[in-house]
Amino acid sequence: DAGVTQSPTHLIKTRGQQVTLRCSPKSGHDTVSWYQQALGQGPQFIFQYYEEEERQRGNFPDRFSGHQFPNYSSELNVNALLLGDSALYLCASSFQGGDVYGYTFGSGTRLTVV
Amino acid sequence: AQTVTQSQPEMSVQEAETVTLSCTYDTSENNYYLFWYKQPPSRQMILVIRQEAYKQQNATENRFSVNFQKAAKSFSLKISDSQLGDTAMYFCAFLSYNNNDMRFGAGTRLTVKP
Repeated sequence: DAGVTQSPTHLIKTRGQQVTLRCSPKSGHDTVSWYQQALGQGPQFIFQYYEEEERQRGNFPDRFSGHQFPNYSSELNVNALLLGDSALYLCASSFQGGDVYGYTFGSGTRLTVV
Repeated sequence: AQTVTQSQPEMSVQEAETVTLSCTYDTSENNYYLFWYKQPPSRQMILVIRQEAYKQQNATENRFSVNFQKAAKSFSLKISDSQLGDTAMYFCAFLSYNNNDMRFGAGTRLTVKP
């Protein structure tokens, strides 16, 4: 049973560029949440997707956008990258309507903006 | 807004001994979940244990147990018979029934010494 898969593992981008991160949820899960984890800090909620729509959004600017596909996989897009966007981006999946066992996380994408 | 506080940035324990990690949270909600996640150097967040706020009985998972004090808004994690593989960052997290934004503390870095 595959867990949450994120790609790429590492990424280096230049300030001002755009980036797309990808996430495949755990088998049986239909909801994807994205988190940003800055170095030495806990993860912060970016947004959650369910039924191909953004269900809830955290305190992040519109430069952060996402998408969910019919197969429940998801993308996180960040435009006009800033140095402060350098972080570990974690994807977490869950199942709506089931018991809440917490989210299943992937191993993240380490984004470095130079 | 819900906040989660972990007041111990770093802790260490000798192998086979017991250690307790502290967590406090602030919320006006009555129905919520609390979690402890482990993040080893592999970066993946791994669920250690969860507690539902309506349950008075403290959760236990093998060597891991919690002390949940709802009135005090405290949720500590006890690790018994510590093993070298327990070395990791530990995050306390809060999730309201009515919110999809899982809130994390800043983490405690635990080192188990041989």
